[in-house]
Amino acid sequence: EDQVTQSPEALRLQEGESSSLNCSYTVSGLRGLFWYRQDPGKGPEFLFTLYSAGEEKEKERLKATLTKKESFLHITAPKPEDSATYLCAVQAGNTDKLIFGTGTRLQVFP
Amino acid sequence: EADIYQTPRYLVIGTGKKITLECSQTMGHDKMYWYQQDPGMELHLIHYSYGVNSTEKGDLSSESTVSRIRTEHFPLTLESARPSHTSQYLCASSSGGVGNTIYFGEGSWLTVV
Repeated sequence: EDQVTQSPEALRLQEGESSSLNCSYTVSGLRGLFWYRQDPGKGPEFLFTLYSAGEEKEKERLKATLTKKESFLHITAPKPEDSATYLCAVQAGNTDKLIFGTGTRLQVFP
Repeated sequence: EADIYQTPRYLVIGTGKKITLECSQTMGHDKMYWYQQDPGMELHLIHYSYGVNSTEKGDLSSESTVSRIRTEHFPLTLESARPSHTSQYLCASSSGGVGNTIYFGEGSWLTVV
């Protein structure tokens, strides 16, 4: 069964304290791995898509990487406005449906 | 930037009432989706559509129904709301094809009392 697991569930960082979020997946035939940011009470906001192992993408303080079993979202020198829940999702097989993890709730304190 | 709109954003209704959650997108996307998300939990697909007059049930069983009469519009209806239907409902769309990005609306928070 296709599965996505994110860790940690919650992460508290001091402003400027870099860290990484993990998304491990077990799927048959990965077609794409997606990272979203979700603020409280809002819909997920698209961040990145990764398609193959070794691929990396960056956006401001965020960098996403992909291996054959997991993806990392690296946050460099985070700011309080980076506080949100970060969701990982995969597409697998010949379907475009997304399978989501439960997310990592990030809090960045000044 | 995604142009996908959901109304109402927040709704409190009584048990047994019929409600329709509206979803519209202006991107001309063929594929549209409804996801359900309880607080702190993962998103689950409840309905999807690959085009006009096409609707399918998702992975999570839902008592809601959907219709797709126009490309841009994908409403979700609950004929008789129950407290167990209390949740956030997220509409999404995609231009299609595996690997294409799925964009989400802001969500509709439904509370059934």
